[in-house]
Amino acid sequence: DVQVTQSPSSLPASVGDRVTISCRASQGINNYLAWYQQKPGKAPKLLIYAASTLQSGVPSRFSGSGSGTDFTLTISSLQPEDVATYYCQNYNSAPRVTFGGGTKVEIK
Amino acid sequence: EVQLVESGGGLVQPGGSLRLSCTASGFTFTDYAMSWVRQAPGKGLEWVSTISVRSDSTYYADSVKGRLTISRDNSKNTLFLQMNTLRAEDTAVYYCATGPSVIDYWGQGTLVTVSS
Repeated sequence: DVQVTQSPSSLPASVGDRVTISCRASQGINNYLAWYQQKPGKAPKLLIYAASTLQSGVPSRFSGSGSGTDFTLTISSLQPEDVATYYCQNYNSAPRVTFGGGTKVEIK
Repeated sequence: EVQLVESGGGLVQPGGSLRLSCTASGFTFTDYAMSWVRQAPGKGLEWVSTISVRSDSTYYADSVKGRLTISRDNSKNTLFLQMNTLRAEDTAVYYCATGPSVIDYWGQGTLVTVSS
């Protein structure tokens, strides 16, 4: 099974900062990678799929990049409402999808 | 508006059984394969199971194979998860979700607690 590893696990940042989260796959997965945002007590929400395609309605400060084994989620200017845990998801072997361990973004 | 509403969670003893349901509305249920994804308290997301549109194919994570059974009733826009021989490590919020790959829509989740 392909494993996906996220880093860092925790990310304190200031409002307005550029925030970058990394996701690395144990083998190449083309661009079959999605990113989700989960706020406390809520279900995850799809942000990006196919590594870089922004889901409808998601603010343009969110962007995704990468292919093969290395992927990145970027928030260009962190806002207070972006406090959440972010997960990457590999769907190269769908339906047997795998998720990264999560990155908790907080305001410092 | 798309809605996925789970029900059936609760407290159950180890070795017990539970049946989760998920009622869908606001989209064409028969356009989507459906999945269950779970999240243990304070932990990350784990894919559990997926069923095809016509129920001719089902898939399970190794951790639940032989104990959990996914099914659907397209006439009632409802997804099910029959959970047998439950273990403490099955304690989690169980989410109903669309699709076998990218998940467009999620339910609000139902908590299953396995404890004596």
